[in-house]
Amino acid sequence: NAGVMQNPRHLVRRRGQEARLRCSPMKGHSHVYWYRQLPEEGLKFMVYLQKENIIDESGMPKERFSAEFPKEGPSILRIQQVVRGDSAAYFCASSPYLGQGVAEGYTFGSGTRLTVV
Amino acid sequence: LAKTTQPISMDSYEGQEVNITCSHNNIATNDYITWYQQFPSQGPRFIIQGYKTKVTNEVASLFIPADRKSSTLSLPRVSLSDTAVYYCLVGGDRDDKIIFGKGTRLHILP
Repeated sequence: NAGVMQNPRHLVRRRGQEARLRCSPMKGHSHVYWYRQLPEEGLKFMVYLQKENIIDESGMPKERFSAEFPKEGPSILRIQQVVRGDSAAYFCASSPYLGQGVAEGYTFGSGTRLTVV
Repeated sequence: LAKTTQPISMDSYEGQEVNITCSHNNIATNDYITWYQQFPSQGPRFIIQGYKTKVTNEVASLFIPADRKSSTLSLPRVSLSDTAVYYCLVGGDRDDKIIFGKGTRLHILP
């Protein structure tokens, strides 16, 4: 039973390019969450999605960032026209349930480290 | 979501027992207390969850006093590999996402 798969593990982009980060949730998990972690900082919630629906995007920057979780395939976090400040680790988590009260319900991937040069 | 307060960092030595305390004065009746561990360059990993009194598993123990306004994560006989950031989270079934604080950076020394 594979865990949450994120790819690529490392991504280097020049300023102004687009970055696409992929997340395949655990089998049977229908809830996907994206978090961003700046160096030496905690994890910041970005967006919560279910299949074909964005449920909560309160943590997403208003511009250049978008996320989707299509009916088929992985969830995608897309960053357009990247800037140096976008350099961070981006983590994806999946859960089979709604609600933090469920023990061990959230499983995180190993992250994608984005470096903007 | 109840706000949590925990020490920014702690140092300990191999073989010692480490206790990390988290304050959550505004915890709600149906909130659980959950701890996650994050190693460098990895995603967070669930350690333990409890509601009241004491919970123990193969990794750690969680002590929760009767008023539930704080909790203590106890790691027995730590090793160098326990060096990580530990996050205390409080929330319940009505919360649709996990909100992380800054966590406690635990550094184990030889």
